[in-house]
Amino acid sequence: AQSVTQLDSQVPVFEEAPVELRCNYSSSVSVYLFWYVQYPNQGLQLLLKYLSGSTLVKSINGFEAEFNKSQTSFHLRKPSVHISDTAEYFCAVKETSGSRLTFGEGTQLTVNP
Amino acid sequence: DTEVTQTPKHLVMGMTNKKSLKCEQHMGHRAMYWYKQKAKKPPELMFVYSYEKLSINESVPSRFSPECPNSSLLNLHLHALQPEDSALYLCASRLAGGENIQYFGAGTRLSVL
Repeated sequence: AQSVTQLDSQVPVFEEAPVELRCNYSSSVSVYLFWYVQYPNQGLQLLLKYLSGSTLVKSINGFEAEFNKSQTSFHLRKPSVHISDTAEYFCAVKETSGSRLTFGEGTQLTVNP
Repeated sequence: DTEVTQTPKHLVMGMTNKKSLKCEQHMGHRAMYWYKQKAKKPPELMFVYSYEKLSINESVPSRFSPECPNSSLLNLHLHALQPEDSALYLCASRLAGGENIQYFGAGTRLSVL
């Protein structure tokens, strides 16, 4: 069975500051990794995915995450955040042969002016 | 188009009512999911349908009854719910056997009085 640990439940930052949301996972088999974002009163939106290939993946709105197999991590970063990035961020893992997503507990990112 | 449509957006029901939640996708996805999400928590898996057959039931109480009438539609029938069942109910779909990304709907916010 796999598990996901998001090390910070809340991350407050000022606008235009860099941010890192940390995610570590545990699994005995190969996995796919995801970051989902949930804005208030909305569903989950896929932000980034790592399926295979380059370990650094990027989104269209400036977020990036790097898969580190040796450290079993998939941390999310953005060099300069905006107020509109305020949301709950969930890291998730799925075994390559399975159908079940396992989520971390989430990190609330709050960007202050 | 990666849209999963859920209706209604909001639902208030009494403990003796019968109601249904609806989820629809037209992406040709053959795996569909129901999740329950409480405030400030990650989604909890309830049911998985694969090729219109129930493949996972996470020991959900029988007052929740899923139905998958065709490959595009997923229902969740509700009967004799309890106040603790109040939550955001999320539907997701995935292209079974191929791409491994789950796409989520916006959810139905359910309040049980």
